[in-house]
Amino acid sequence: DAGVTQSPTHLIKTRGQQVTLRCSPKSGHDTVSWYQQALGQGPQFIFQYYEEEERQRGNFPDRFSGHQFPNYSSELNVNALLLGDSALYLCASSLKAAGDQPQHFGDGTRLSIL
Amino acid sequence: QQQVKQSPQSLIVQKGGISIINCAYENTAFDYFPWYQQFPGKGPALLIAIRPDVSEKKEGRFTISFNKSAKQFSLHIMDSQPGDSATYFCAASPTSGTYKYIFGTGTRLKVLA
Repeated sequence: DAGVTQSPTHLIKTRGQQVTLRCSPKSGHDTVSWYQQALGQGPQFIFQYYEEEERQRGNFPDRFSGHQFPNYSSELNVNALLLGDSALYLCASSLKAAGDQPQHFGDGTRLSIL
Repeated sequence: QQQVKQSPQSLIVQKGGISIINCAYENTAFDYFPWYQQFPGKGPALLIAIRPDVSEKKEGRFTISFNKSAKQFSLHIMDSQPGDSATYFCAASPTSGTYKYIFGTGTRLKVLA
């Protein structure tokens, strides 16, 4: 039973560029959440997708956008990259958009901005 | 009010000892509290979670203690092993309305052999 898979594992970009990160949820899960984890910090919630719609959003600018596909996979897009966007981006999946559903995380995409 | 405060920042324990990590919250809307373990280069892995209708939950060597009136909860790792050396995060979430997890800042645990 495959867990949450994310691609790519590492990515290097320069300021001003755009990036797309991808996530396949755990089998049977229908909800995907994205988090940003800066070095030495806890994950910070970016947004959550359920039924192909953004349901919740954290304190991130509109440069961060996403999408969920009919097969429940998801993409995170970041435009106009800044140095401060360098972080580990984590995808978590769960069954239905509910607070008491355990979220299962992938191993993340390490994004470095030069 | 959205913060979850976690302590200590780092912890060193002898093999076989008890590791204790504490978290505190202010938002009374939080009513689901998971703990995650993260190894370097890996994503967080769910260890154990608790709802506030119970004061303690145990799974193997891991126990969550919950004090609703104090708005505090803690993770106890019994018989700590070198393989438990990792970073531990507490989190909190409401179960209605907004469903995002709010994470603590993490505790780096080192268990000495």
